[in-house]
Amino acid sequence: DVKVTQSSRYLVKRTGEKVFLECVQDMDHENMFWYRQDPGLGLRLIYFSYDVKMKEKGDIPEGYSVSREKKERFSLILESASTNQTSMYLCASSSPTGTGNQPQHFGDGTRLSIL
Amino acid sequence: GEDVEQSLFLSVREGDSSVINCTYTDSSSTYLYWYKQEPGAGLQLLTYIFSNMDMKQDQRLTVLLNKKDKHLSLCIADTQTGDSAIYFCAPGLGGATNKLIFGTGTLLAVQP
Repeated sequence: DVKVTQSSRYLVKRTGEKVFLECVQDMDHENMFWYRQDPGLGLRLIYFSYDVKMKEKGDIPEGYSVSREKKERFSLILESASTNQTSMYLCASSSPTGTGNQPQHFGDGTRLSIL
Repeated sequence: GEDVEQSLFLSVREGDSSVINCTYTDSSSTYLYWYKQEPGAGLQLLTYIFSNMDMKQDQRLTVLLNKKDKHLSLCIADTQTGDSAIYFCAPGLGGATNKLIFGTGTLLAVQP
């Protein structure tokens, strides 16, 4: 079974802090994704990565950056946390679709509160 | 841009059938997925359908695809209280990364 592990289930930080959210997958997937989930808005893609050191902006990248130094690990960074970044953050991974059906597999999420 | 629409809420009685509907705009989706999210948890892959199929059955779940109308349905037979969750329709955009487009999700409440 694919395992996507997010380092924290709950996190509380202060405005202006630099925040790191970590995600690790154990299936050697090329693709990794960061989403945020807010009530009534569904999931919105922040950033994704299709290879080590490669990244692309998603729909709402402002205020975030990412790092992918190793294939299994994808980090989301809030450079200077603000209260409007309080949300549920979800990480996912997948293989390229060139090999057929390759769904995204999700971690359990990190509920981040910025005070 | 691509868009997915789902109703926000559905309430059914235990033992009844549930039908969760989804409409989408991107016509190039090859695989279309349904995910389930239980309270406080991440998303769990429930089922999927390939775009050249009209229907797929998997135990209590039936997925119906009307590609012409870009309409996807998830039918749950004999709905149980354990089926209470948020259900997301997620068409895949294809390509190497197969980005998914998510709707708001439908909260299914099963009354005993």
